[in-house]
Amino acid sequence: GQQVMQIPQYQHVQEGEDFTTYCNSSTTLSNIQWYKQRPGGHPVFLIQLVKSGEVKKQKRLTFQFGEAKKNSSLHITATQTTDVGTYFCAGSRSNDYKLSFGAGTTVTVRA
Amino acid sequence: DGGITQSPKYLFRKEGQNVTLSCEQNLNHDAMYWYRQDPGQGLRLIYYSQIVNDFQKGDIAEGYSVSREKKESFPLTVTSAQKNPTAFYLCASSIPTVGSYNEQFFGPGTRLTVL
Repeated sequence: GQQVMQIPQYQHVQEGEDFTTYCNSSTTLSNIQWYKQRPGGHPVFLIQLVKSGEVKKQKRLTFQFGEAKKNSSLHITATQTTDVGTYFCAGSRSNDYKLSFGAGTTVTVRA
Repeated sequence: DGGITQSPKYLFRKEGQNVTLSCEQNLNHDAMYWYRQDPGQGLRLIYYSQIVNDFQKGDIAEGYSVSREKKESFPLTVTSAQKNPTAFYLCASSIPTVGSYNEQFFGPGTRLTVL
């Protein structure tokens, strides 16, 4: 079945620094989505990428979808304490509406 | 307010008892899902349903059962056959669109502890 791998599992970041989390799929995806789960909360949809090579920005967050539509990345610049949480990528295949979630990257921030 | 509700937030049960977790949505979404979340393992799909009176097994359906008698409701029963039921359970819903715009909306979750 489809597998979505996400690295790193944990990211400890100094406040103000940048970091990137990566997502890789064993199969070609029709779209990739990113979610954020705050500690004690539930996943909340951030963004969806559909086109090959697509790049989208949300303030300090930059999302990228690979040319082959098998990988994606989330880059956060100037990390703040509000960025704490777990970031999940999720993808679906062209013939399916269900999502396969990565294991997530849990981000902690040192002030 | 539109959204998904799950109750209760915390649930404790004795080993060997069945327990049913509720999930209700007023987003008018056709598709609903149940996930299990364990530390370090992300979200694993238990069951999903695209329309009323129809549902499919996900990746880890053993020891669980569901029903979909109404569009708004998708209750999950954790049976005594589930060997390790203690976990955080998340319900979600979406428009079952293939290819795009199928983002999922999650409920607040139920944390089940089996003693």
